[in-house]
Amino acid sequence: TQLLEQSPQFLSIQEGENLTVYCNSSSVFSSLQWYRQEPGEGPVLLVTVVTGGEVKKLKRLTFQFGDARKDSSLHITAAQPGDTGLYLCAGLNTGNQFYFGTGTSLTVIP
Amino acid sequence: DSGVTQTPKHLITATGQRVTLRCSPRSGDLSVYWYQQSLDQGLQFLIQYYNGEERAKGNILERFSAQQFPDLHSELNLSSLELGDSALYFCASSASGTGHYEQYFGPGTRLTVT
Repeated sequence: TQLLEQSPQFLSIQEGENLTVYCNSSSVFSSLQWYRQEPGEGPVLLVTVVTGGEVKKLKRLTFQFGDARKDSSLHITAAQPGDTGLYLCAGLNTGNQFYFGTGTSLTVIP
Repeated sequence: DSGVTQTPKHLITATGQRVTLRCSPRSGDLSVYWYQQSLDQGLQFLIQYYNGEERAKGNILERFSAQQFPDLHSELNLSSLELGDSALYFCASSASGTGHYEQYFGPGTRLTVT
């Protein structure tokens, strides 16, 4: 099993604060995706990063893929209550399978 | 709405029983994936089908089986159910399932084994 560790596991912040979620592994992935999942629903894809060192911005969300393609981070600027949810990273291995991270549960308090 | 549908939404059954979960992929998608999500194990890949053929296997128990039909819908069969099989089961679909593909997840089936 190719383990993807996310940190922190739980995060509770006030509206307007910034935060960073980390996704780390000892394995190399050909690409990495970030998802957000709300209670009772399936994960929704936010972004795919493919190239080592790649940075992608999606409004207030910034995603970075590590140079060695083993880790990734998600930074949220000025968090809003609508950002509340479970954030999952998923790495695509050479066997063309996605392995999902352990998840970060984010709560943004109004 | 991802376009992926799953039925039923909730299922309650007893240990030792057998159940079938159904998934219809997005229109045009040929690949279907099954995942199990539990509190202690997170989201685990079970199996992938592409255009009716099994393409990849993950952590799927021998008591579990799946198939994809000619109309591309898929079914996941869970037998000899145990308490530990209680979880959310998600189906996802993608256009091809190769390269840097994007998966679209359904709303899930919550299975409770009592």
